[in-house]
Amino acid sequence: AQTVTQSQPEMSVQEAETVTLSCTYDTSENNYYLFWYKQPPSRQMILVIRQEAYKQQNATENRFSVNFQKAAKSFSLKISDSQLGDTAMYFCAFMSIQGAQKLVFGQGTRLTINP
Amino acid sequence: GAVVSQHPSRVICKSGTSVKIECRSLDFQATTMFWYRQFPKQSLMLMATSNEGSKATYEQGVEKDKFLINHASLTLSTLTVTSAHPEDSSFYICSAQDRGAKNIQYFGAGTRLSVL
Repeated sequence: AQTVTQSQPEMSVQEAETVTLSCTYDTSENNYYLFWYKQPPSRQMILVIRQEAYKQQNATENRFSVNFQKAAKSFSLKISDSQLGDTAMYFCAFMSIQGAQKLVFGQGTRLTINP
Repeated sequence: GAVVSQHPSRVICKSGTSVKIECRSLDFQATTMFWYRQFPKQSLMLMATSNEGSKATYEQGVEKDKFLINHASLTLSTLTVTSAHPEDSSFYICSAQDRGAKNIQYFGAGTRLSVL
């Protein structure tokens, strides 16, 4: 079974700084998807970014980018020019291409952006 | 982006009653919907996978007779917590998988259930 590990329970940075959230996963599959979801205090889960494992190019979405290292099974999220609205829980998730396509979530990282 | 509506957002009920939670995909068809439970300061725990027109698939340890799931159409899935007890109090979240973009799940806003 796949597992996802986020080793940083909490992080805190100043507004406008850059922050990187770590995520590692374990799988024997070669093709899969990886996601970062954000859960602000409202508790609405919001998709931040997704990566297809068969693509070597790292995904980017405006201030959000990933460092996908397939061999190391690492999928970190970089937030540039952090904003107060980035304060949230961030969950890394794995999805197999096969079967029911369920999401397997990491434990989450609570990110606080300080003014 | 795609919108998933979950209702109600908050429900308080007496022990022994049943509670129904609805999950609707508003602007896309969802052949598959998922139901999660989230305890305070923890990650999401998948309870079951719901496929339109067929029985739900429950994760290990989840009581299917306690948590009844119905997925009668491509836009609606319901979760009924039967004979609720205080230990069922939690935050329940649904997600819907876009049929046109199979690998993306869009989430509802969640339902906070409190059983007295």
